[in-house]
Amino acid sequence: DAKTTQPNSMESNEEEPVHLPCNHSTISGTDYIHWYRQLPSQGPEYVIHGLTSNVNNRMASLAIAEDRKSSTLILHRATLRDAAVYYCIRTDSNYQLIWGAGTKLIIKP
Amino acid sequence: NAGVTQTPKFQVLKTGQSMTLQCAQDMNHEYMSWYRQDPGMGLRLIHYSVGAGITDQGEVPNGYNVSRSTTEDFPLRLLSAAPSQTSVYFCASSYSRKGTTEAFFGQGTRLTVV
Repeated sequence: DAKTTQPNSMESNEEEPVHLPCNHSTISGTDYIHWYRQLPSQGPEYVIHGLTSNVNNRMASLAIAEDRKSSTLILHRATLRDAAVYYCIRTDSNYQLIWGAGTKLIIKP
Repeated sequence: NAGVTQTPKFQVLKTGQSMTLQCAQDMNHEYMSWYRQDPGMGLRLIHYSVGAGITDQGEVPNGYNVSRSTTEDFPLRLLSAAPSQTSVYFCASSYSRKGTTEAFFGQGTRLTVV
């Protein structure tokens, strides 16, 4: 199955770091790992993507395991506006994004 | 920048009616796609296009048609609406079809078929 495995939900406190895990044990050597998030009643929003090495951007960091079978999205300092469903996505053989149900992130003030 | 624009935002159809969901992007992206999202689930690919004049089926294409006459526009047609097509529809575009660049999504069309 090309879908990734994520926890259904996670809770975190505001202004603390958040580590969102993802398992993708069947990933091929050329598949990118993508993360998108979806705020309530909005379209998905790109967060970050990577292939092998760790990646950083203004929104988050992506840590990819050396064997590429798992990865972790890191929000360095969560705010209430980061409450969303976070999707860890890989591509299939036709380069299409394969979406699972994602992780609902709850931020507690 | 407008990005990806979808119209309408909301629509109610009667069973058997047809309609077209509009999608336009102003980023000169070659790759465009349509997804549907049912409650509590991730997105499922309906159809996609890798350039003007080229379309292909995704995971759930039945009951939907697409065409791509220009780079900017990628309309989705429901041929004969059914209650099972009640869903939120998202259009997306990206520079690369190979999943190596970010995808931009519209705000969605919430469709109810009664």
